[in-house]
Amino acid sequence: DGGITQSPKYLFRKEGQNVTLSCEQNLNHDAMYWYRQDPGQGLRLIYYSQIVNDFQKGDIAEGYSVSREKKESFPLTVTSAQKNPTAFYLCASSIDFQGNENTEAFFGQGTRLTVV
Amino acid sequence: QQPVQSPQAVILREGEDAVINCSSSKALYSVHWYRQKHGEAPVFLMILLKGGEQKGHEKISASFNEKKQQSSLYLTASQLSYSGTYFCGTVMDSNYQLIWGAGTKLIIKP
Repeated sequence: DGGITQSPKYLFRKEGQNVTLSCEQNLNHDAMYWYRQDPGQGLRLIYYSQIVNDFQKGDIAEGYSVSREKKESFPLTVTSAQKNPTAFYLCASSIDFQGNENTEAFFGQGTRLTVV
Repeated sequence: QQPVQSPQAVILREGEDAVINCSSSKALYSVHWYRQKHGEAPVFLMILLKGGEQKGHEKISASFNEKKQQSSLYLTASQLSYSGTYFCGTVMDSNYQLIWGAGTKLIIKP
């Protein structure tokens, strides 16, 4: 079955440590996204990638980094520079970039990151 | 630029109808609707494009009023499975970036 997989589901990190969240899709989608979700708020875009080896900052990119070396993979690194990293992180993909008619986004199950 | 959703929350009895609104201060190209159950991934409902028709199937439908820059999601004869938080995402003509509303929490009681 095609889909998008995030791992791990829960992650605990000590302050000052970097941590990498995994996101893999086998839908053959060009576009991939990372969102952060905090309680009572909508999804906020961290980074997005429209094609392999290219990615762009979203609204809240500070303290995060990404790579897109393969079409299927879009890992997110939460660095120690991120002041408030505890949140629910969602990865998504779509066949084309946002705004076009066929840009239904498929989401992973999310990673809940807690800084201890 | 974040779209405004209303109401923030609504509690219904099974079988009642609900309307959720999504308004923008900017001209819109498209509006996307998703539903998220607690602790789960958002699930796609529908996309409405500028100039398009009202969309939907059976008991969940949506409209897009370009003049008012507003979309409304209609849930008819609600079922328990409709519970969750509904998010709209809007795309403006200028940058094609999807911006999400804060969500509307819908609780359906038996």
